Amino acid sequence: GIQVEQSPPDLILQEGANSTLRCNFSDSVNNLQWFHQNPWGQLINLFYIPSGTKQNGRLSATTVATERYSLLYISSSQTTDSGVYFCAVESGGSYIPTFGRGTSLIVHP
Amino acid sequence: GAGVSQSPSNKVTEKGKDVELRCDPISGHTALYWYRQSLGQGLEFLIYFQGNSAPDKSGLPSDRFSAERTGGSVSTLTIQRTQQEDSAVYLCASSFQGLSPLHFGNGTRLTVT
Repeated sequence: GIQVEQSPPDLILQEGANSTLRCNFSDSVNNLQWFHQNPWGQLINLFYIPSGTKQNGRLSATTVATERYSLLYISSSQTTDSGVYFCAVESGGSYIPTFGRGTSLIVHP
Repeated sequence: GAGVSQSPSNKVTEKGKDVELRCDPISGHTALYWYRQSLGQGLEFLIYFQGNSAPDKSGLPSDRFSAERTGGSVSTLTIQRTQQEDSAVYLCASSFQGLSPLHFGNGTRLTVT
């Protein structure tokens, strides 16, 4: 099956800093989603982005499907951004998202 | 409700007992997924339902695990003869159909003692 690799695995930031999280995948995809899992375990869908660029407030995401990667940008980070960020892809004829292992982000005040 | 609802939120059971976990998806969502997340790990796919089609059970780890979806809505995940390695958070998600945003419930934390 498709392989999904996220980097970096861990990231520590000071409040106000910017960061870029990366998701690489091993095959062509029909869909890509980014999720944030907060420290209480809730998973929130951030972006549904099979291609192109989307922005939502301080967050934006870009997927370059032809080069098999996606980037999640966090600007002016806040402590509430802490948690784990997951990338999930669907490929081939499958409608089952395969998740990466996530990037754990800690934002210090 | 507006979101995916799971119950119970926490379940502690003794090894060897059976447990049932419930998921109520967002109204109108035809696709329903079960995932499992062990402590500090990523999400492991278990089973996928789409409308009236036969479910994709390819992620179920053993025949002790089963799931059903009644009337295209509520789903129940059953684990028979629970083992300690079954301890995890069981997450349910739904989407309008394939290739659309996935929405997760808050999960059921299962602890097998």
